[in-house]
Amino acid sequence: SQQGEEDPQALSIQEGENATMNCSYKTSINNLQWYRQNSGRGLVHLILIRSNEREKHSGRLRVTLDTSKKSSSLLITASRAADTASYFCATETNAGKSTFGDGTTLTVKP
Amino acid sequence: DVKVTQSSRYLVKRTGEKVFLECVQDMDHENMFWYRQDPGLGLRLIYFSYDVKMKEKGDIPEGYSVSREKKERFSLILESASTNQTSMYLCASSFWRGNGNEQFFGPGTRLTVL
Repeated sequence: SQQGEEDPQALSIQEGENATMNCSYKTSINNLQWYRQNSGRGLVHLILIRSNEREKHSGRLRVTLDTSKKSSSLLITASRAADTASYFCATETNAGKSTFGDGTTLTVKP
Repeated sequence: DVKVTQSSRYLVKRTGEKVFLECVQDMDHENMFWYRQDPGLGLRLIYFSYDVKMKEKGDIPEGYSVSREKKERFSLILESASTNQTSMYLCASSFWRGNGNEQFFGPGTRLTVL
């Protein structure tokens, strides 16, 4: 099974609302990263949080990491239609290998 | 800006054909990766390489091989294409920083095997 599993699988919200998606993983990690994928395109890196960090911000993005629960969350505040995309978490191990989850599909309605 | 390019956006091949997917990065990255992406299954790692002529199996290497003769180029080879290899193939590259290797992705190749 996938190391990273996102929840929910799909999320639909109105523009201006906040969007929260979660990621759970099974083994010890060095860091966890979140990526965005617009329809039919490659992935774009959003933010990285290391295993010794608990929270990180980047613009409208806020990521938390709870290593005791092996989970992370991505919060997008004041969402825009342009945030419509699939979001993936990826956990990285010592070997530099990343394992991606199945993704959360976010739809932001104007 | 880092640029990762893939040789084709769309490719149609017949069962049994040998298929080459090429990936080139222009930022002198040590690491390169090949993934396939299927609906409901997310991204699955096929092979990765951390140096020229080095390769490591990912989670689903069966039916694939790779080649890295130059640092900037990483090729994925389907020796005898089968219909279950119809998928989106994504290439990525990253620096090796030990902890925190942001991956840069190419636009993907959508391969259809008939």
